[in-house]
This record gives sequence, C-alpha cells and structure tokens, in this order.
Amino acid sequence: KQEVTQIPAALSVPEGENLVLNCSFTDSAIYNLQWFRQDPGKGLTSLLLIQSSQREQTSGRLNASLDKSSGRSTLYIAASQPGDSATYLCAALRSLADSGGSNYKLTFGKGTLLTVNP
Amino acid sequence: SQTIHQWPATLVQPVGSPLSLECTVEGTSNPNLYWYRQAAGRGLQLLFYSVGIGQISSEVPQNLSASRPQDRQFILSSKKLLLSDSGFYLCAWKTGRNTEAFFGQGTRLTVV
Repeated sequence: KQEVTQIPAALSVPEGENLVLNCSFTDSAIYNLQWFRQDPGKGLTSLLLIQSSQREQTSGRLNASLDKSSGRSTLYIAASQPGDSATYLCAALRSLADSGGSNYKLTFGKGTLLTVNP
Repeated sequence: SQTIHQWPATLVQPVGSPLSLECTVEGTSNPNLYWYRQAAGRGLQLLFYSVGIGQISSEVPQNLSASRPQDRQFILSSKKLLLSDSGFYLCAWKTGRNTEAFFGQGTRLTVV
C-alpha cells in the first residue's frame, strides 16, 4: 500500500526566501508524481507533473525533483511571495490493482501549509 | 480548453437525507473520472473511479455510490446521509497515465 508523507506539516517564511518542501513515498513503482496547490476552501491546482523517468521539472519559480529509487521528491520555490501562501500537496500515481493497468490512483500526502509573510 | 465543473459549492444536509453531487468535464472525451473526499486533518481519500460510461469502481466501502450516465458526467450519491459523510468532495479527471490530473473546485458538505 502506497503511503505518502510530507514534511514539514507547516512552514512560515519571510517574503523573498527560497524554500524546499519535501515529499516521500513508500512504493517506488510509481508512474509519476504531481505537485498541487490548494487555497483555503478551494480545489486543487496542478503545479508540476514529473514522470518517473525524469529527474526534475521547472515552471517559473517552481522546481520539482524526483528520486524514484529513494522514494523522494522536493518542490523548490524561489523568491517566495505572499501570494504563494497555500497548502502544497504531492501525489504519487500508480496502477489500480484491479484495473488491468487501465486506471490509476493518486495517493496524496497530507500537505504542507505554507505561509509567506510580507 | 478543458474545464471541470462541480456543484453545488456548499451544501448543508440533515442526517438521513439523500445526496446528489454532480461533476461535468468539458473539452475532452473518455476521461478517467474520480471522486475524492478530503476530511479535516486528513489527506485526500479516493472514493470512486470510472474508466467509462456505466463503469464504476469503489475504493472503500461506504454509505455513498457513484454513477456515470454520460461520458463526461460523474455523480456522487447517497440515499441516507450520515454525520461521518461530512467533508470536502472533489471530482478529478485524467486522460492518460502520463497526463496531469485536474480537479474541480469542490463541494463542502456538512451533515447536521
């Protein structure tokens, strides 16, 4: 059974600081890993998708890395801004057992609540 | 472009009442569809998934059911709500293994 853990559970930083969010997963047989952002009371917004064959993906100030063999991913946020304040979730994708490989399940961590102070 | 709609945004229902939450996807065909629940202090839990019309699989036994009457419509239902059904319900879709999953804006359900 896949378990995904995110550390820290909460993080508060001053504006402009670079920061790293951590995600670990127990089953390395994943297809990919996706990072999401969730604002209070809202749905999830996809940030980055990193395939199991990739080492990293970048989008603007965000950079996600993946080390599949060690079961770890990190999300690096450069020059943080107050607008980055949100909960960040990582999710690992693998096949659903009874789907014959035709369907997939995202297993989520509980998230890191990020607060960027102006 | 692809979009996903969920409604209602919030819902307060008494214990024992029925439930129907709807999710529709636009701009894509034959998506894989998912219902997740997010309870306070817990991660997202997969409830149901569907690979096609009329094809529903459940991840966990529960008081809820799902249906997919059309390719891009996914419905979450209950005949009699329990207090433990309260939570934030999210619909999601994917078109393939190597593509992103996209989520709706969610429905906040409070059972009183």
